[in-house]
Amino acid sequence: EAQVTQNPRYLITVTGKKLTVTCSQNMNHEYMSWYRQDPGLGLRQIYYSMNVEVTDKGDVPEGYKVSRKEKRNFPLILESPSPNQTSLYFCASSLSRDAEAFFGQGTRLTVV
Amino acid sequence: GENVEQHPSTLSVQEGDSAVIKCTYSDSASNYFPWYKQELGKRPQLIIDIRSNVGEKKDQRIAVTLNKTAKHFSLHITETQPEDSAVYFCAAISDSWGKLQFGAGTQVVVTP
Repeated sequence: EAQVTQNPRYLITVTGKKLTVTCSQNMNHEYMSWYRQDPGLGLRQIYYSMNVEVTDKGDVPEGYKVSRKEKRNFPLILESPSPNQTSLYFCASSLSRDAEAFFGQGTRLTVV
Repeated sequence: GENVEQHPSTLSVQEGDSAVIKCTYSDSASNYFPWYKQELGKRPQLIIDIRSNVGEKKDQRIAVTLNKTAKHFSLHITETQPEDSAVYFCAAISDSWGKLQFGAGTQVVVTP
């Protein structure tokens, strides 16, 4: 089954404790991206990747890191999480930047 | 960069009536305009998209129109049903940028 899988689904952590949210797709998509969703602000892009080893900043990249060492995986790293990073996070992949995006199930992150 | 504005933020319609959501964009180089539907607690899913070389596209009860001169595009839902209740997001991506820019979303409530 074609899908985008992100883990974990829920995470509560403390300020400053490094964490990684994984994202994997099995559709051989070139374009992958991370979004955060906050009430009233819609979906804001954090980082995107056009292909392996090619990543670029979205609108809200501060406090986040990504890597794209393999085509299927695009992890999101928070080196030192802060409470303002409490949000719902979505990973998405698409064949190209101007094609249908398939979203993962979402990760609800709470930083206390 | 691209800026996408979406109106209204909430829309309440009677079942059977039509719903219209409008978005404006700032980058004249934008060439791909998808619409996503997000039901409560679910991930966003593409419902329709349009490219800059097309003025209108229909899929059953859903249609999207694009006015490149005025830089706006709209989603039209006819004969609304309770299952149309959801948050709808418009988005735009430019040929110049890899970032997919989303609007803030419209909460649509269809009352029986």
